[in-house]
Amino acid sequence: GAVVSQHPSRVICKSGTSVKIECRSLDFQATTMFWYRQFPKQSLMLMATSNEGSKATYEQGVEKDKFLINHASLTLSTLTVTSAHPEDSSFYICSARVQIREKLFFGSGTQLSVL
Amino acid sequence: QKEVEQDPGPLSVPEGAIVSLNCTYSNSAFQYFMWYRQYSRKGPELLMYTYSSGNKEDGRFTAQVDKSSKYISLFIRDSQPSDSATYLCAIGSARQLTFGSGTQLTVLP
Repeated sequence: GAVVSQHPSRVICKSGTSVKIECRSLDFQATTMFWYRQFPKQSLMLMATSNEGSKATYEQGVEKDKFLINHASLTLSTLTVTSAHPEDSSFYICSARVQIREKLFFGSGTQLSVL
Repeated sequence: QKEVEQDPGPLSVPEGAIVSLNCTYSNSAFQYFMWYRQYSRKGPELLMYTYSSGNKEDGRFTAQVDKSSKYISLFIRDSQPSDSATYLCAIGSARQLTFGSGTQLTVLP
């Protein structure tokens, strides 16, 4: 299957700082990328959908000014958690899709811990 | 009613057993059916993908879709301890993909 690389795998930061997470499709061009949040023993919660070259579409209840998403190229999307707080601590996962009918491939996830 | 319901488990089976994982869905417009395996603190890995009713087999895994009943299953034959993980169904359309809550499976050696 296609490879989606996500970095960093783990990050610990102080409250009030910003953290950037990168998601790259390594062997295909991803027209659409998705960002999820996952709490322990729970399923994936879709945060936002980003299409290359356009603004991300955020799910209800997700603060777009807090979770900044940039999809500047067909192989890279970034999620920046701004002014992070302890309640933002979670496992964040990205996924990428080639075309609208195609399979979804996931990155390996980023565990964010805000102290 | 949730759009996708998945048997929550957890499920614990002896090595070599046949495992059955199930999901139901409510939206008849859903046409893509996927199963993912997720190890702890890792991203989900695509196991099976189909968009038609019937069975699809890949090694020890068989995905079954019954669109008339809005019911999908994943069967694992000859289960191994390495199959221990959380299994997520994902069902959707071109515009929307909804994940089940996941079933945690433990295969005991």
